[in-house]
Amino acid sequence: DIQMTQSPSSLSASVGDRLTITCRASQSISSYLNWYQQKPGKAPKLLIYAASSLQSGVPSRFSGSGSGTDFTLTISSLQPEDFATYYCQQSYSTLYTFGQGTKLEIK
Amino acid sequence: EVQLVQSGAEVKKPGESLKISCKGSGYSFIRYWIGWVRQMPGKGLEWMGIINPGDSDTRYSPSFQGQVTISADKSISTAYLQWSSLKASDTAMYYCARSVPAGHPSHWFDPWGQGTLVTVSS
Repeated sequence: DIQMTQSPSSLSASVGDRLTITCRASQSISSYLNWYQQKPGKAPKLLIYAASSLQSGVPSRFSGSGSGTDFTLTISSLQPEDFATYYCQQSYSTLYTFGQGTKLEIK
Repeated sequence: EVQLVQSGAEVKKPGESLKISCKGSGYSFIRYWIGWVRQMPGKGLEWMGIINPGDSDTRYSPSFQGQVTISADKSISTAYLQWSSLKASDTAMYYCARSVPAGHPSHWFDPWGQGTLVTVSS
């Protein structure tokens, strides 16, 4: 099984900050990596697919990069509505494992 | 508008059976895979399995193989997740989500259903 490890597990940041979340795969997954945002009591929402493609309707302050085993999600200028939990997910193997999540809180 | 609407919350006793549903609308249901994801209280997302409604090709996570059954009725654009004998540890929110068209080399999930809360308690 491919394991996905996110770092950090949680962090505090301020509105306007630039933020990067990292996701590492236990083996190479090429660019088969997706990012989701989940707010409390809501279903997850797709932000980035195929490592760097921005889903339609998602603000351009979100961006993704990486390939192989190391990936990043960057938020260029945090907005109040961005405080949520973020998950990466690999789709290289049929077992589409998620990372454990990164909880982003307001400082 | 592409939409997935899930059935309502359920409260069941251990040992009971259950089938929850996920109805797709606004797109060709048979063209896109549908996946199921579990989220236990206060925990992260766990991928359970996926089905191609067009031909009923189904893949399961090893963690859920034999524990649940995923199916679909393309005549009513609905996917299902069912248990034959629930356990307290099945208490969780369950989400369905649309994936990519059949034949696509990768998978990502969008949109998601609103979730079905399943509570199993004696």
